[in-house]
Amino acid sequence: AQKITQTQPGMFVQEKEAVTLDCTYDTSDQSYGLFWYKQPSSGEMIFLIYQGSYDEQNATEGRYSLNFQKARKSANLVISASQLGDSAMYFCAIASNFGNEKLTFGTGTRLTIIP
Amino acid sequence: DARVTQTPRHKVTEMGQEVTMRCQPILGHNTVFWYRQTMMQGLELLAYFRNRAPLDDSGMPKDRFSAEMPDATLATLKIQPSEPRDSAVYFCASGYRGRTGELFFGEGSRLTVL
Repeated sequence: AQKITQTQPGMFVQEKEAVTLDCTYDTSDQSYGLFWYKQPSSGEMIFLIYQGSYDEQNATEGRYSLNFQKARKSANLVISASQLGDSAMYFCAIASNFGNEKLTFGTGTRLTIIP
Repeated sequence: DARVTQTPRHKVTEMGQEVTMRCQPILGHNTVFWYRQTMMQGLELLAYFRNRAPLDDSGMPKDRFSAEMPDATLATLKIQPSEPRDSAVYFCASGYRGRTGELFFGEGSRLTVL
């Protein structure tokens, strides 16, 4: 069984500051994928970033980067230069087979950006 | 822009009624997932299909829920009879096995059972 732990239920960050959202995972698989999704108040689930378990470099997508520390089983999301539009719920997820199988989600972190 | 389309977006019904939710996955995607989101349980997998064949429906209450893919462009989730505890947002998502990375979610169907 796989598990995702997000220990920060809520975070408040000043606009333009960088923010790190924590995610640790547990899996017995060797080949897996890690995902981050954003869910704004409108409710849709927006894909942000993906990291494969054999990827040696940390994934980056614009202002998002994934700090992947395999030995520590952590996959933290870093948002640089936060914006008001970043206020949302953020979910970390894991899936076997480099992400081709079902996703197991964490409980999420609610991020609020303060002007 | 390719997107996953779900209908209805909102549904209010009375206990005991049948509810059918539909999903049109992105053309060419061969894997379809149904997830349910509630405040108490978070995001739970109900069922998923690959090439229209069910791979895992262990998260689904079998006595009242059923999921099917009658063709590659349509996935359905049916609840009969519905109960108040089924009130949730139901998400459909699609992806392509063999390509790592993102899974695309629909906008969700918000179900309220009175």
